[in-house]
Amino acid sequence: EAQVTQNPRYLITVTGKKLTVTCSQNMNHEYMSWYRQDPGLGLRQIYYSMNVEVTDKGDVPEGYKVSRKEKRNFPLILESPSPNQTSLYFCASSIPGGVSVFGPGTRLTVL
Amino acid sequence: GEDVEQSLFLSVREGDSSVINCTYTDSSSTYLYWYKQEPGAGLQLLTYIFSNMDMKQDQRLTVLLNKKDKHLSLRIADTQTGDSAIYFCAEMDNQGGKLIFGQGTELSVKP
Repeated sequence: EAQVTQNPRYLITVTGKKLTVTCSQNMNHEYMSWYRQDPGLGLRQIYYSMNVEVTDKGDVPEGYKVSRKEKRNFPLILESPSPNQTSLYFCASSIPGGVSVFGPGTRLTVL
Repeated sequence: GEDVEQSLFLSVREGDSSVINCTYTDSSSTYLYWYKQEPGAGLQLLTYIFSNMDMKQDQRLTVLLNKKDKHLSLRIADTQTGDSAIYFCAEMDNQGGKLIFGQGTELSVKP
């Protein structure tokens, strides 16, 4: 089944403890993105990648890192999480200009 | 910059039609999308429309696009309680790397 998977689905952590949220797609898509969803703000793009080893900042990149060493994987790294990063995170993939397929979401709480 | 606006709430009675409106600013968007998010769930692509179309119909869903006014609407005929969800309007940026979302409209369907 063509899909985007994210792990973990739920995470509660404490301020400053590094964490990684994984994202993987099995559709051979070039484009991958991370978004965060906050009430009243919709989804905002954090980082995106147009292909292996090509990443760029989205609208809200502060406090996040990404890497794209393989086409299928696009992990999101929070080196020192803070409470304002408590949010619902979505990974998405697509072919260039195509319809984005979203993962199921990761709900992160930073205490 | 690019911006997408939606009203935050809509309440209808079961069996009525629902109309969710959206305005956008980037006239170069090739596609405009409607996503649905049920409570506690991820994003599901509901429908999309090419920018050279005025209307698209898919069973109970009708999408209307007014390019001159940069206005997009989603009409749900015979709204059911299962249609209760948050609906997001989105456009693709002109480089094809980012979806720009509205804030989401929470549709509440009362029996």
